[in-house]
Amino acid sequence: GAGVSQTPSNKVTEKGKYVELRCDPISGHTALYWYRQSLGQGPEFLIYFQGTGAADDSGLPNDRFFAVRPEGSVSTLKIQRTERGDSAVYLCASSLGGGPSYEQYFGPGTRLTVT
Amino acid sequence: KQEVTQIPAALSVPEGENLVLNCSFTDSAIYNLQWFRQDPGKGLTSLLLIQSSQREQTSGRLNASLDKSSGRSTLYIAASQPGDSATYLCAVNSNSGYALNFGKGTSLLVTP
Repeated sequence: GAGVSQTPSNKVTEKGKYVELRCDPISGHTALYWYRQSLGQGPEFLIYFQGTGAADDSGLPNDRFFAVRPEGSVSTLKIQRTERGDSAVYLCASSLGGGPSYEQYFGPGTRLTVT
Repeated sequence: KQEVTQIPAALSVPEGENLVLNCSFTDSAIYNLQWFRQDPGKGLTSLLLIQSSQREQTSGRLNASLDKSSGRSTLYIAASQPGDSATYLCAVNSNSGYALNFGKGTSLLVTP
C-alpha cells in the first residue's frame, strides 16, 4: 500500500511569509507525528496527534508554528512569519496507534528554504 | 531529557570491510531502539528495531545490538558495499513518551 506522502517536496519562501506543509499518513493510522531536521542534525520532535487532537505539542518551538488534523487523517503544519532559522527538512510520520509500541513510518519530507 | 550520541560522525571505508557504528543514550528507561538509514534528500528507512528486552536483531548483513544498562547500541555492517553509503541514524523511544529521540547520525561512505 501507499506510504506516508508529503507535499510539497521543496518549498522556497521569503522571510516573513506564511507557509503550509501537508502530510498524508498511511491509511488507517491514527497517530501522526511531525519532526524537523536541520542540516547536520537528527530529526527533532515537534508535535504528535492521536486522531484529530494534538496529544503532545511540546516540541513546537514557538507560537509561529501550528498544526492541525481536522478529520483525523491529513495534517497540515503551518508556519507564520517565517524566519531564516526555520529552514530545515520537515518530516512527517504515522503509526497504527499511539505510543512507543507502534512503529513510526516516515514520509520523504518537505525541504523548506527561507530566503 | 534523553540525549542520544552517535560516534563517529563520519566514516569512510573501502568496499568489503566490516564496520561498526555506535550509539549511546543517557536514560536507560527505553521502550525500544531503532536504526534508520537516510539517503541524501530522502526520508528515513527503518533498518532494525530492538525492543528493550532484546539483546540484538539481525537483517541480512546488518546486526544491531543493545545493552540497555550501559546505554549503548551498535550497528554492525558486514561486507560493506558502495550502496551502503548513506547517513545512519539511531533513535530511542522512551517508556512514557511518543517522540523518537534521534542522534545526529553517522555519515558513511563506502568506496569501490
